[in-house]
Amino acid sequence: QKEVEQNSGPLSVPEGAIASLNCTYSDRGSQSFFWYRQYSGKSPELIMSIYSNGDKEDGRFTAQLNKASQYVSLLIRDSQPSDSATYLCAVKGSGGSNYKLTFGKGTLLTVNP
Amino acid sequence: KAGVTQTPRYLIKTRGQQVTLSCSPISGHRSVSWYQQTPGQGLQFLFEYFSETQRNKGNFPGRFSGRQFSNSRSEMNVSTLELGDSALYLCASSPLNTAQETQYFGPGTRLLVL
Repeated sequence: QKEVEQNSGPLSVPEGAIASLNCTYSDRGSQSFFWYRQYSGKSPELIMSIYSNGDKEDGRFTAQLNKASQYVSLLIRDSQPSDSATYLCAVKGSGGSNYKLTFGKGTLLTVNP
Repeated sequence: KAGVTQTPRYLIKTRGQQVTLSCSPISGHRSVSWYQQTPGQGLQFLFEYFSETQRNKGNFPGRFSGRQFSNSRSEMNVSTLELGDSALYLCASSPLNTAQETQYFGPGTRLLVL
C-alpha cells in the first residue's frame, strides 16, 4: 500500500509568520510531488510541483524535496489569512501507478489576523 | 481556456439507486481521472481514462464504473448506491497524464445518499 502521510493539524500561525507543512511518502519510485490547496467546500487547486531534490520557490511558497528521506515540505512565508485552507500533498508514482495521484489526508492551516 | 467542468454539482439519491456523473476536461486534455473525497478517507483515486481506455483503477467495488468518449468527456456511474457513497466526486484532467504533468480539478459533484 503506497501511502502519503501528513500532519493533520490543525496548524495555527499568526499573520506574517512562516507556515511549515510536511509530508512523507512510502513509494521510493515516486517521481513527482505536488502541493494542492483546498478551501472549504471547493476543489483542490495546484500551488506547487517539484520533481528534483532541493528547493523550488514561487512567490511566498517554497517546496522542498528530499528523496533519500522520502520527505517533501511546503513553506509559506508572510502567511496571510487568505492562506487559511487545507493543504494536500500528492505524489505520482512509478510504473503502473504513474497515472494516479496519491494524496495525504491534508493539513488544515489557520492564519490568525 | 475554460477549466474542467462537472455536472451536476449537487445530487441527492436514495439507497439502491444509481447515478451518473459527467466531466468535461480542459480543451486538449486527453486524460481524465476520477477521485472520491470523504472526510474520513480523504481523496482516493477511482480510475483514469485516456483515449477512451481505462489505464488504471483504484480499490473500489465494481459498482463504480466509468467511460470516456472520443471527445475526451468522461462519465462515471455508481450503481446500487450505499450510504457510504456520499462524498464529493472530483474529476481531474491533464494533457497526457505523464509523470510530471499536473492534474487540474473540476469543481466536483457533491452526492448525498439517503
